[in-house]
Amino acid sequence: AQSVSQHNHHVILSEAASLELGCNYSYGGTVNLFWYVQYPGQHLQLLLKYFSGDPLVKGIKGFEAEFIKSKFSFNLRKPSVQWSDTAEYFCAAGGRGRGSTLGRLYFGRGTQLTVWP
Amino acid sequence: GAVVSQHPSRVICKSGTSVKIECRSLDFQATTMFWYRQFPKQSLMLMATSNEGSKATYEQGVEKDKFLINHASLTLSTLTVTSAHPEDSSFYICSARDWRGGVEQYFGPGTRLTVT
Repeated sequence: AQSVSQHNHHVILSEAASLELGCNYSYGGTVNLFWYVQYPGQHLQLLLKYFSGDPLVKGIKGFEAEFIKSKFSFNLRKPSVQWSDTAEYFCAAGGRGRGSTLGRLYFGRGTQLTVWP
Repeated sequence: GAVVSQHPSRVICKSGTSVKIECRSLDFQATTMFWYRQFPKQSLMLMATSNEGSKATYEQGVEKDKFLINHASLTLSTLTVTSAHPEDSSFYICSARDWRGGVEQYFGPGTRLTVT
């Protein structure tokens, strides 16, 4: 069955600390992977995505993620976080099948990141 | 580009009444829209996939007669919660996929439904 796991439910960091949020997925077939961010009171925004090619993906605001196929992982990283990075982060996986399965996303339960100034 | 709006942003209704939530793609056409429900401190749960001009595909456990979805045009999908109960109180989020292809979804800001 398709699923996405985020093991860190709440991460608290000080500014300038490095960040790594874990994401593991279970998916039959070729997978697309995404990280979304939800700032307080705002809607989900795409941080970055992986479809194919270079497994190290760079996104907006200095975030990056690495797809490790052997580990079924797509961890999100940022070398130095800022107070403004405080938000909820969601990992999602989707397939490339045709028809009704195309575009269907499976979300992890989210990780709340709190950055103290 | 790729903006999705939802209306209303918040709604309070009484038990037994129905409430309609609109999801619009403002600057692109969406053959497929998705409706999610988000519980506090939890992930987004896909309720149904809405395809323009055809019936919605509901996820297992979602009552199609209770959550009516209509996708009458390439820019509008509606979710109607019928005979609402307090347990239907939640945050409902829609997303849309551009008709020109790709699997990216663009999310609306969500609608907070409170049933009293």
